[in-house]
Amino acid sequence: QKEVEQDPGPLSVPEGAIVSLNCTYSNSAFQYFMWYRQYSRKGPELLMYTYSSGNKEDGRFTAQVDKSSKYISLFIRDSQPSDSATYLCAMRSGAQKLVFGQGTRLTINP
Amino acid sequence: DGGITQSPKYLFRKEGQNVTLSCEQNLNHDAMYWYRQDPGQGLRLIYYSQIVNDFQKGDIAEGYSVSREKKESFPLTVTSAQKNPTAFYLCASSIPAGWATNEKLFFGSGTQLSVL
Repeated sequence: QKEVEQDPGPLSVPEGAIVSLNCTYSNSAFQYFMWYRQYSRKGPELLMYTYSSGNKEDGRFTAQVDKSSKYISLFIRDSQPSDSATYLCAMRSGAQKLVFGQGTRLTINP
Repeated sequence: DGGITQSPKYLFRKEGQNVTLSCEQNLNHDAMYWYRQDPGQGLRLIYYSQIVNDFQKGDIAEGYSVSREKKESFPLTVTSAQKNPTAFYLCASSIPAGWATNEKLFFGSGTQLSVL
């Protein structure tokens, strides 16, 4: 079993829809949770960062962490074609290495 | 314009050949990393370096080698011992050094390596 599981998709939704991307994990020691966005044939860029449980909002993006369920989510409101990319969750415990999910390929159709 | 530069963008390797992927950063970051990305598998850590002249193996170091002679540079050599080298290789850097709590990874644009 992988430490971090992420549905690879692909996920295709119409423009303006609310998108929900999710990751589950098995290591209860994970404390730091990140979402990276990766456009095709480019390097990932950090989108959201959350420490421990709770929600964090940044514009159209909301990151949610539920440590009791070992489940994290990224919500995208009013999705745009420019949001089409692969989204990678990543997490870490303390000073340990970052563990990435497989990435979900998202397409927003105009 | 600060950032991480990876070259070449595309690279082809012949059987039995060693190839070297370049990674240069002008962000003054202490830590640098190499990841391998395969379709549907996310990013896997190959090697990382927290300081000049020091580096550690990641999860999949076999068949790879690195050097860190300068703070700005962290080249990766894919040796002939790596039997399945076809992948997208990503270099990253971060500050502060090590796995700090608020560490943010900055990634290059990647090198696609294919076997001829």
